[in-house]
Amino acid sequence: QQPVQSPQAVILREGEDAVINCSSSKALYSVHWYRQKHGEAPVFLMILLKGGEQKGHEKISASFNEKKQQSSLYLTASQLSYSGTYFCGTFYNQGGKLIFGQGTELSVKP
Amino acid sequence: DAGVIQSPRHEVTEMGQEVTLRCKPISGHDYLFWYRQTMMRGLELLIYFNNNVPIDDSGMPEDRFSAKMPNASFSTLKIQPSEPRDSAVYFCASSLYSRGALNTEAFFGQGTRLTVV
Repeated sequence: QQPVQSPQAVILREGEDAVINCSSSKALYSVHWYRQKHGEAPVFLMILLKGGEQKGHEKISASFNEKKQQSSLYLTASQLSYSGTYFCGTFYNQGGKLIFGQGTELSVKP
Repeated sequence: DAGVIQSPRHEVTEMGQEVTLRCKPISGHDYLFWYRQTMMRGLELLIYFNNNVPIDDSGMPEDRFSAKMPNASFSTLKIQPSEPRDSAVYFCASSLYSRGALNTEAFFGQGTRLTVV
């Protein structure tokens, strides 16, 4: 039931772009994206809802393909502050069970 | 609001001892989650509550683990007896159900780093 993320890790230079994917074997109701810096708690980035509504408050975009049961997070013109581990979290219905993928470690180098 | 508050931040205990982790969710939030994070297993959902009622505890690894939420402002996760393999960071998170769905963000506490020796 855990969503699968890819890649597991990515190294970028400042200014480069990255895409992180999240896929599920079950139909998704919504997808959350979080970023966790080393030694800190995960912090919310974005929610994508079934039907296309998107909520977020950073300059990072995402897509949600309901038919393919996939979501992708797009980081463009990466900054050093983007470094961290990115998690997708999924809901399979309107209930409250929030399950996270295994994470994607992103390192942005100068 | 001070956010989700967890205590203690760090706990070192000997194998066989009882450990109690505490969580105060954000006021007004009606969902509370307990997660365990390790390098090997990532961020695992252990149990979650809705309006103080446990909804799904299928992620609780063994009977040694138990969780309670006696009121809307307090929850505990207890491990008795503790074992070295329980060493991990335990996060509590809370969220609010709105507009007919859980479509708002989960706020995480700073976590409790548990070491069982």
